Amino acid sequence: NAGVTQTPKFRILKIGQSMTLQCAQDMNHNYMYWYRQDPGMGLKLIYYSVGAGITDKGEVPNGYNVSRSTTEDFPLRLELAAPSQTSVYFCASTNSPRTEAFFGQGTRLTVV
Amino acid sequence: DQQVKQNSPSLSVQEGRISILNCDYTNSMFDYFLWYKKYPAEGPTFLISISSIKDKNEDGRFTVFLNKSAKHLSLHIVPSQPGDSAVYFCAASASNTGKLIFGQGTTLQVKP
Repeated sequence: NAGVTQTPKFRILKIGQSMTLQCAQDMNHNYMYWYRQDPGMGLKLIYYSVGAGITDKGEVPNGYNVSRSTTEDFPLRLELAAPSQTSVYFCASTNSPRTEAFFGQGTRLTVV
Repeated sequence: DQQVKQNSPSLSVQEGRISILNCDYTNSMFDYFLWYKKYPAEGPTFLISISSIKDKNEDGRFTVFLNKSAKHLSLHIVPSQPGDSAVYFCAASASNTGKLIFGQGTTLQVKP
């Protein structure tokens, strides 16, 4: 079972560049989430989706965009990368926010 | 505005003793609470959860207590084992919105 797959695992971006972090799940989960983890700051919710075609802002959405055209995929788009977006990004999915969420291995992004 | 707070960044206990990790929340809309465990360079993994209609849930060595009036929950690990050393995240979900919010995490070290 693949579970939640994130690509790439590592990436270095220059200031002002853009990129898309990919997230795919094969568990037919409706709920998907994007988090960033900064040192000592825990996991901050960027965007989430409760089903295909539906997305909503989390705690720290500025500088990011998402789309959910299929149940399986939930890409996170960074436009005009800034050093403040240097972080580890985690994608997660679940059947319900009341049950276990499954996380990907994370994407370590550095903006220089 | 930190809706889920873990005020202790770290905790150190002796093997065999009890570990108590604490978590506070501010949003009354949260109706489910979960604990996750995270090792370095991996995504978080689910540990245990509790519904807001309960005050205790037990699973082996792990017990979660919920004090709804105080908006406080705690995770008890007994007996603690060196393999429990990890970062523990408290999370809260609002099932009416699908939002899943995490705290800052507590690093637990269990000494042999």
